[in-house]
Amino acid sequence: AQSVTQLDSQVPVFEEAPVELRCNYSSSVSVYLFWYVQYPNQGLQLLLKYLSGSTLVKGINGFEAEFNKSQTSFHLRKPSVHISDTAEYFCAVGGRNKLVFGAGTILRVKS
Amino acid sequence: NAGVTQTPKFQVLKTGQSMTLQCAQDMNHNSMYWYRQDPGMGLRLIYYSASEGTTDKGEVPNGYNVSRLNKREFSLRLESAAPSQTSVYFCASSANTGSRYGYTFGSGTRLTVV
Repeated sequence: AQSVTQLDSQVPVFEEAPVELRCNYSSSVSVYLFWYVQYPNQGLQLLLKYLSGSTLVKGINGFEAEFNKSQTSFHLRKPSVHISDTAEYFCAVGGRNKLVFGAGTILRVKS
Repeated sequence: NAGVTQTPKFQVLKTGQSMTLQCAQDMNHNSMYWYRQDPGMGLRLIYYSASEGTTDKGEVPNGYNVSRLNKREFSLRLESAAPSQTSVYFCASSANTGSRYGYTFGSGTRLTVV
């Protein structure tokens, strides 16, 4: 079975500061990992995904994530956030037939 | 380029009423999913359809039924709504099951049961 733990429910940060949103996973099958973003009153959009290969994955809007197999982590990072990055971010792990999502992390960017 | 379309966007039901949430995708995807989103609980899978003609239970199927009407459409039915079903419902699709494909999500249906 697969599971995802997002370690922070909310992360406040000032504009132009760096941010890291933490995600740990467990999986008994091949690991596919995803980060999705949900802006207020919208559906989820894919930010980036790790399927195989390079452990550093780059996504849209300047986000990147690093797959760490030994620590079973897939943390999301951005070197300099903008007000428009305020949203809820979901980490997901892929199993045989479906994605399993974490509880989400609300990123609040303050000016 | 519609992607995944859900209707309605908002709905208020009285306890015991029934309704059907509609979902359609235009990407020729084989697999479709229904999730519910509740604060602090992330997204939980209700039902999914790996391909046209098949449906399977997810994590929280009780109180719901689904129909994969054709390759494009996957509906979710609440036969007798309960306040515990107040939630935001998302439909998603993917090229196939086997989660390497990732999902495309609709914009959601906000359901309130009073």
